[in-house]
Amino acid sequence: NAGVTQTPKFRILKIGQSMTLQCTQDMNHNYMYWYRQDPGMGLKLIYYSVGAGITDKGEVPNGYNVSRSTTEDFPLRLELAAPSQTSVYFCASSNEGRLTDTQYFGPGTRLTVL
Amino acid sequence: ILNVEQSPQSLHVQEGDSTNFTCSFPSSNFYALHWYRWETAKSPEALFVMTLNGDEKKKGRISATLNTKEGYSYLYIKGSQPEDSATYLCAFNNAGNMLTFGGGTRLMVKP
Repeated sequence: NAGVTQTPKFRILKIGQSMTLQCTQDMNHNYMYWYRQDPGMGLKLIYYSVGAGITDKGEVPNGYNVSRSTTEDFPLRLELAAPSQTSVYFCASSNEGRLTDTQYFGPGTRLTVL
Repeated sequence: ILNVEQSPQSLHVQEGDSTNFTCSFPSSNFYALHWYRWETAKSPEALFVMTLNGDEKKKGRISATLNTKEGYSYLYIKGSQPEDSATYLCAFNNAGNMLTFGGGTRLMVKP
């Protein structure tokens, strides 16, 4: 099992550009999550999904969009990149989304918007 | 928005020292407290999930305690080693679908 994979690992964008961060998991997990991590701030939830075709906003969804057409994939879209979106982005998944379920994280994508 | 705080923000110790740090969370509507270990350039990895007041979990030299009535958890590392250098994250769940993470404690162990 590869677990949770993310691409790309690094990216530099100009203000106003768009991009999609890819996330794939091969554990057949129903729940998937996108977080951003800013220095000293912990992980903030952007969006999450409880299964294919279902997505919901987290704490900081503005400026992002997601889709979940399959169980495996949960891409995160930035339409108009802004410097405030410079961050490290983590994708995660969990089996049932129960409150005690461990979340398994990908290696992260480091995004810089200039 | 729930407030989960970790202290200290960073910590430097010598190899062999024992250390501990704190995660504070709201004491009402508690359901679960997670600890993760995050090494630089790697994925955060789960250490413990704790649900019961007074619970204590142990994994090798690392252990954690939980006090849900007063809203805190301690993480202890006995005899720190350089490979323990990482950021330790706690995350609180109060029965929603979301985990609320603290800012982390960055531990650096000098050989």
